[in-house]
Amino acid sequence: EAGVAQSPRYKIIEKRQSVAFWCNPISGHATLYWYQQILGQGPKLLIQFQNNGVVDDSQLPKDRFSAERLKGVDSTLKIQPAKLEDSAVYLCASSTIQGYSYEQYFGPGTRLTVT
Amino acid sequence: GENVEQHPSTLSVQEGDSAVIKCTYSDSASNYFPWYKQELGKRPQLIIDIRSNVGEKKDQRIAVTLNKTAKHFSLHITETQPEDSAVYFCAASLRDTGRRALTFGSGTRLQVQP
Repeated sequence: EAGVAQSPRYKIIEKRQSVAFWCNPISGHATLYWYQQILGQGPKLLIQFQNNGVVDDSQLPKDRFSAERLKGVDSTLKIQPAKLEDSAVYLCASSTIQGYSYEQYFGPGTRLTVT
Repeated sequence: GENVEQHPSTLSVQEGDSAVIKCTYSDSASNYFPWYKQELGKRPQLIIDIRSNVGEKKDQRIAVTLNKTAKHFSLHITETQPEDSAVYFCAASLRDTGRRALTFGSGTRLQVQP
């Protein structure tokens, strides 16, 4: 099966600019996650969707970050305006809610550099 | 919310030796504990996981143990090889019908010296 796809792979922007990331989960996976991984740290959840509804966005900085998952498939994560501390890798992951598997599958990530 | 602590932050071993990484978690409701390996510039890859109804699980050179009472779990790698060098993350979550998100530890950089 095809894995989780993300684009772009790399992005460099100046502070106060806007940026958007795209994620296509594994086909049939109802649950989609966006994680932020700052260099040298573990991934931290930003937002979790189940189908097109938000399950958990408690750690999403809502004054500048937004995310949507229209039609319960692809998702976009947007930052507006970006700050220097947003420099990180943004990882998308998906998992199925059916059957016995609990595994989360990660995409390759988008490396964001804010200058 | 859940909090996961991981030790050590760096670990250097000689090829063929064993490596042990330890994690503690705070939420007694957590029931799923995966371990991920992340090579430089790559995505995290699941290497082994354990559920709270099991105390130990082994897959070839890798094993994980879970102590629910003490709320800690450990990764054991035997007969280490240079290709085991990477950053390892432990994680915890409550896996119910909602498939809750993972809370990750801070990572352990394992260096296997040939």
